Amino acid sequence: KAGVTQTPRYLIKTRGQQVTLSCSPISGHRSVSWYQQTPGQGLQFLFEYFSETQRNKGNFPGRFSGRQFSNSRSEMNVSTLELGDSALYLCASSPVAVGSNEQFFGPGTRLTVL
Amino acid sequence: AQSVTQLGSHVSVSEGALVLLRCNYSSSVPPYLFWYVQYPNQGLQLLLKYTSAATLVKGINGFEAEFKKSETSFHLTKPSAHMSDAAEYFCAVSRPPNDYKLSFGAGTTVTVRA
Repeated sequence: KAGVTQTPRYLIKTRGQQVTLSCSPISGHRSVSWYQQTPGQGLQFLFEYFSETQRNKGNFPGRFSGRQFSNSRSEMNVSTLELGDSALYLCASSPVAVGSNEQFFGPGTRLTVL
Repeated sequence: AQSVTQLGSHVSVSEGALVLLRCNYSSSVPPYLFWYVQYPNQGLQLLLKYTSAATLVKGINGFEAEFKKSETSFHLTKPSAHMSDAAEYFCAVSRPPNDYKLSFGAGTTVTVRA
């Protein structure tokens, strides 16, 4: 099976712009989660989607949003970019099997905000 | 709320020596626990997981971890370090049975000396 794929891998934006990141989960996985990784804050949970519904949300401002499509692919959007949004954004998918919260991560999208 | 503390942000070991990475958790319920590894410019790869079965968990690449409820610990070990073990390691916790939000520790960077 192909792993989790994320596009684009690298992105450079300027303050005030918006950005959309894409994630394709492993085939058959229905849960997709997003994480932000920065040197200062480490790995932080953004949100999780399951069957096109946001099931869990982290402590991020409303500028961060996401959605999931019927094929389980997910996008996250960041509006009005700030310098502090520069980070590695990781997507993870899970098969949603009872008794296992195992998540499989993609390679990430490196976002740089200038 | 659950959280994870990793003791030691950097660990340096000689090739062939024991690798010991410490992780302590706090959780209101018995959690699921995970160790992930991240190589430079890559996503996270699952090393092993504890999901309330055997307390001694064996993972990939010769790593293992023991869940000790009395000590609220889930330390990661490998008997003999290899140069390829140089990476950053993250301990993470989630709330079973179906909360897919992972809370990560700050990470431990491992360097291996020849």
